[in-house]
Amino acid sequence: GESVGLHLPTLSVQEGDNSIINCAYSNSASDYFIWYKQESGKGPQFIIDIRSNMDKRQGQRVTVLLNKTVKHLSLQIAATQPGDSAVYFCAENSHRDDKIIFGKGTRLHILP
Amino acid sequence: DTAVSQTPKYLVTQMGNDKSIKCEQNLGHDTMYWYKQDSKKFLKIMFSYNNKELIINETVPNRFSPKSPDKAHLNLHINSLELGDSAVYFCASSAGQVRELFFGEGSRLTVL
Repeated sequence: GESVGLHLPTLSVQEGDNSIINCAYSNSASDYFIWYKQESGKGPQFIIDIRSNMDKRQGQRVTVLLNKTVKHLSLQIAATQPGDSAVYFCAENSHRDDKIIFGKGTRLHILP
Repeated sequence: DTAVSQTPKYLVTQMGNDKSIKCEQNLGHDTMYWYKQDSKKFLKIMFSYNNKELIINETVPNRFSPKSPDKAHLNLHINSLELGDSAVYFCASSAGQVRELFFGEGSRLTVL
């Protein structure tokens, strides 16, 4: 479920199930949308990106979907494993700004 | 071999003090960044340097001064520390593709 206020939104998923992490973005001018994973005590790590003229991109066990109509981005993780437990960030990049802007994170919690 | 390394990993200091955090990358990247992550895990870009030149300064107080002696190093010096400076500071680097950042493990600064 999702918590509000000072707490990070949390998604709890049974090990082996698929996870879907959602993100809303605001800048229609972004050229790329990116997902990062941050494990406890570590820096964020690049997972996958998608160009703004695409609507789907697949990686190893991950799929990113982009819906520009409603400005929505999602990350799907297949067969979630304990090692997937982390905070996931969506991010945007525009070649005009030459920087990456991070959205709010979502904590993925794996249930045994 | 650590790709992006930051020191110190932990820093506890009193208000009003001056402190520095160092960052080095051995990836041969031209661009380096400092990001600040607050207690709610929100990641905000502070500075970016490309080949020793400042290219992004995100309205950070003048008390924060980055210095890049060469393209492999980007240090962050903070004067007159305030309670609100407490956060985890991440150094990152990128090659041509700005959307793939390589982060260090972070430096947790606690101001008492």
